[in-house]
Amino acid sequence: SQKIEQNSEALNIQEGKTATLTCNYTNYSPAYLQWYRQDPGRGPVFLLLIRENEKEKRKERLKVTFDTTLKQSLFHITASQPADSATYLCALRYSSASKIIFGSGTRLSIRP
Amino acid sequence: EAGVTQSPTHLIKTRGQQVTLRCSPISGHTSVYWYQQALGLGLQFLLWYDEGEERNRGNFPPRFSGRQFPNYSSELNVNALELEDSALYLCASSLDGYNQPQHFGDGTRLSIL
Repeated sequence: SQKIEQNSEALNIQEGKTATLTCNYTNYSPAYLQWYRQDPGRGPVFLLLIRENEKEKRKERLKVTFDTTLKQSLFHITASQPADSATYLCALRYSSASKIIFGSGTRLSIRP
Repeated sequence: EAGVTQSPTHLIKTRGQQVTLRCSPISGHTSVYWYQQALGLGLQFLLWYDEGEERNRGNFPPRFSGRQFPNYSSELNVNALELEDSALYLCASSLDGYNQPQHFGDGTRLSIL
């Protein structure tokens, strides 16, 4: 069955550094992959979507890469700030008609 | 632009009762998704509605059901509530059901006593 893994439950980094979060999947490549941010008690907030024919997407300080050979997506936050502290979720969809599968998330803490 | 709205925000029920949760999608969005997020766990896909039809369903028992109305709003119904149904129920909408990102509401916190 399809499986998605975010390789660390928690990540602590110093303010100003680049945070890199990993999302690995099994089986064949998804049609697209999404990254979300979730704060405690709130719904996830959409950040970026990357499709299977795209290698990289950027939005301000955020960058997502998609490597279909490694079956992996990396999510980068450059010049990290304490306000970036949250849980980040990876979600993928294998085809346009399939269900969406979420990873369990990585809790990111940025210390001043 | 108003986001996805869900009601109620909190709900307390007892075992065996039934509950209905409501979701209004972002204006112009035709697809609605429902997820369950139990405490400390990831999001589990429940249901997907598009243009009034159920398009896909997660691995949940039939006592979880829903529908989508002509105005694209949606209801999630849960019958014969069990203690393990305690969770945050999240609704998301997307511009189309197939290729656009999902945007979430802040959920309904359901507690079963």
